[in-house]
Amino acid sequence: GENVEQHPSTLSVQEGDSAVIKCTYSDSASNYFPWYKQELGKRPQLIIDIRSNVGEKKDQRIAVTLNKTAKHFSLHITETQPEDSAVYFCAALFAGGTSYGKLTFGQGTILTVHP
Amino acid sequence: DGGITQSPKYLFRKEGQNVTLSCEQNLNHDAMYWYRQDPGQGLRLIYYSQIVNDFQKGDIAEGYSVSREKKESFPLTVTSAQKNPTAFYLCASSTLLRDRNYEQYFGPGTRLTVT
Repeated sequence: GENVEQHPSTLSVQEGDSAVIKCTYSDSASNYFPWYKQELGKRPQLIIDIRSNVGEKKDQRIAVTLNKTAKHFSLHITETQPEDSAVYFCAALFAGGTSYGKLTFGQGTILTVHP
Repeated sequence: DGGITQSPKYLFRKEGQNVTLSCEQNLNHDAMYWYRQDPGQGLRLIYYSQIVNDFQKGDIAEGYSVSREKKESFPLTVTSAQKNPTAFYLCASSTLLRDRNYEQYFGPGTRLTVT
C-alpha cells in the first residue's frame, strides 16, 4: 500500500520568513496530492492540491511542487503570518478508478510562526 | 461550518462500554469516511463507505463498527474491543472519483476519552 513520509515534524519560523514542508510517497500510481491545514481543535481544511500532470501550483502565498520521478512533493508558504500557525498534513491518492480513492496522510508538521 | 457535522464534540466513557459517534452530511456526497487522529500521527482510516448499505474496512478497523443506512449518515461505534479508544475522531465525505473532485470535507471531530 501507499506510504507517505512528511518532514519536518515541527517547524518554527519568524513572521515574514518562508516555510517549506516536504513529503515523499511510495506508490508511483498516486496522482493526487492535497495539503490540509488543521488549526488547534478544529477540522482539517484543504488549502491546496496538485495533480500528477502538473509540476507546480500557486495560490497567493502558498505553492506546491511535485517531482513525480523522485516521488516527492512540497508545500511552500511565503511571507508567513502568525495565523499560518497550525498543523499541516500532506496526503496522496490514487484516483485511477471510478469510485473510492483512499487518501494516505503524512504524519503532520506543526508550524509555528513567531511575531 | 455547515455541510458535515459530528456530535458530540466531547465524549467521556468508562472502559468496557460501547459508544457511538454521530456523523451527518448534507452535501449529497456518496462517499463517507472515519479517521482516527492521535498526537504526532497523521489521520488513519478506520472505515469507509461508497454507497448506502455498503462499507469497507480501512487500515485500523479492529474494535470499531459502522453502518450506512442513509446516504446522509455514517455513525461509528467504538466497541469495548478497541484497546486504545481515547483519540480524536474525524468524519469526512466526498463525491465519487468519477466526478473528478477528489476533495474530502471533514467534520469538526469528536474527542473521545475513555477511562
